[in-house]
Amino acid sequence: DAGVIQSPRHEVTEMGQEVTLRCKPISGHNSLFWYRQTMMRGLELLIYFNNNVPIDDSGMPEDRFSAKMPNASFSTLKIQPSEPRDSAVYFCASSSRGLLQNEQFFGPGTRLTVL
Amino acid sequence: AQSVTQLDSQVPVFEEAPVELRCNYSSSVSVYLFWYVQYPNQGLQLLLKYLSGSTLVESINGFEAEFNKSQTSFHLRKPSVHISDTAEYFCAVRGISGNTPLVFGKGTRLSVIA
Repeated sequence: DAGVIQSPRHEVTEMGQEVTLRCKPISGHNSLFWYRQTMMRGLELLIYFNNNVPIDDSGMPEDRFSAKMPNASFSTLKIQPSEPRDSAVYFCASSSRGLLQNEQFFGPGTRLTVL
Repeated sequence: AQSVTQLDSQVPVFEEAPVELRCNYSSSVSVYLFWYVQYPNQGLQLLLKYLSGSTLVESINGFEAEFNKSQTSFHLRKPSVHISDTAEYFCAVRGISGNTPLVFGKGTRLSVIA
């Protein structure tokens, strides 16, 4: 299994530009989580999906952030327009019900820098 | 709702010395507990977890953690650290009901000195 796949691994953009982060969960997993990691706030949940349905998006900081999961094998996190304070590492994680007690597997992250 | 406190943001320790990374949590419901490790410029890897049963859990690389319900703690220990253990360690919790997100502590940076 390839694990959770995220792209791009690094993104540098200018303030005001649209940014799209992508995630492919592990095949068969039915839950997907987006987390953000910053020096100031540590790791925090942005949004999560169960069976492609958004369950809790209370962690999405502003309307500039949106996330979609059009099918079980793909999710996007979009920031429009981006701002320098959005600079962070964005992690996607997936999990499934079963013997592993919903263990979450993390992708390598996307390091976003907004200039 | 849950919260996690990692009392030490940085822990320097000499190679082959023992180490303890502290973690306390708060929750109104029963929780599962986890330690994740993040090596420089990498993602998070699960180190060990407590779900039920024995309160002492071990990882394959010599770390162990003990769940203490009365003290709401889940401290991570290793009797003898290696240079390769240098990383950031995150304690996390989640409720046992349903497939819910993890709540992380702020992390502890372990630096092993030769």
